[in-house]
Order: sequence, then C-alpha cells, then structure tokens
Amino acid sequence: DVKVTQSSRYLVKRTGEKVFLECVQDMDHENMFWYRQDPGLGLRLIYFSYDVKMKEKGDIPEGYSVSREKKERFSLILESASTNQTSMYLCASSSPGLAGGYEQYFGPGTRLTVT
Amino acid sequence: GENVEQHPSTLSVQEGDSAVIKCTYSDSASNYFPWYKQELGKGPQLIIDIRSNVGEKKDQRIAVTLNKTAKHFSLHITETQPEDSAVYFCAASIAFQKLVFGTGTRLLVSP
Repeated sequence: DVKVTQSSRYLVKRTGEKVFLECVQDMDHENMFWYRQDPGLGLRLIYFSYDVKMKEKGDIPEGYSVSREKKERFSLILESASTNQTSMYLCASSSPGLAGGYEQYFGPGTRLTVT
Repeated sequence: GENVEQHPSTLSVQEGDSAVIKCTYSDSASNYFPWYKQELGKGPQLIIDIRSNVGEKKDQRIAVTLNKTAKHFSLHITETQPEDSAVYFCAASIAFQKLVFGTGTRLLVSP
C-alpha cells in the first residue's frame, strides 16, 4: 500500500513564525503536491513538483515556498505565518503508471492554527 | 484556467436511497475526471474516475457519467449505506496530473 505521511496532525504557531510542514511518501512517486483545504472552498493547489529539485506554482502560492531535495520528501514552508494561513494542509503523491492512472494518494493532513 | 463547480454542498438521504452529485467544468480540454471520498480525519481517497473518451463507468454501487458537450459529470451512488457518509470531491484535469477540485459535497446517509 502507498503511504503518505505528514509530520504533524495538529500544529499551533504564532504570527510571524517560520513554519515547516513535511511530507514523505514511500512508493517512489515522481509527483508530489501540497493543497490547502478550507470549508466551502474545496482543495486548492499551493505547489507541486514533478521531480527532485523541481517545483511549480499552483493556484495559491502566495506566502508559501517548497523544497524537494529528495524524491520521497516534499516540504511546505510558510516564511512568515499569518492568521489567514490557518487551514488544513494536505500532501499528495502520484506516479504516471502504465495504465496512466495518475491517482493521487493523500496523507492524513496537518491542521495548522496560526494565532 | 479550469474551474470546477460542484452541487449540492450537502446531501441527506435515507439508507437504501440513491445519491447523485453533479459537477461542471469550464475548460473543454479537460480529459480526466476523478472522484475522491474523504472520511472524517483522513485524506481524500480515489473511488472512481473517468476519461473523456468514455461516457459512463460503473464499479459496483458507484457510477460516473460524463457529458462532454455540456461539460458536466456526475457521481451516482445506489443503495446507499451509512458507511457512504463522507465528503465527496470531484476534480478535472487537462494534463492527467494537476487536478482542479470542486468545493465538495457532504453526504449523510441516515439508517
């Protein structure tokens, strides 16, 4: 079974702090994604990566950055946390298989509260 | 860019009834349409998907239909059970890798 793990289930940080959210997948997937989930807004893509050291902006990248130094690990960084970044953060990974499935496998999420 | 609208936002049914969730997309180039189910405290999980060269796909009690002309697709769940209670998300993709999600439907199945 594919497993995507996220470093924390719950996190409370103060405004202005630098925040690191870590995601690790164990299936050698090329693609990794960071989403935020807010009530009534669904899942919105922050950043994604198709390969090591490669990153592309998603739909809402402002205030975030990412790092992918190893294939299995994708980090989301909030340079200076703000209260409007309070949200559920979901990491996902996928790989273009022979059947072209492209199924995204999600981690359990990190609920971040910025006070 | 692609925009996906999903309705209804909440849906309550009695056990055994059918449930239908509808989505519309804006970009006619989209060619992949997955549906994800998110149970409480978990990440979303793929339950069924359909590609633009197919009009309907079925897997036991769940089915998805696609109308490319109207740019809408729907999830159908028959003989609903309490364990079907969850939040369901539709999504659309052009490149098979970057997904644009709908806003979600909270389905509640009452015994």
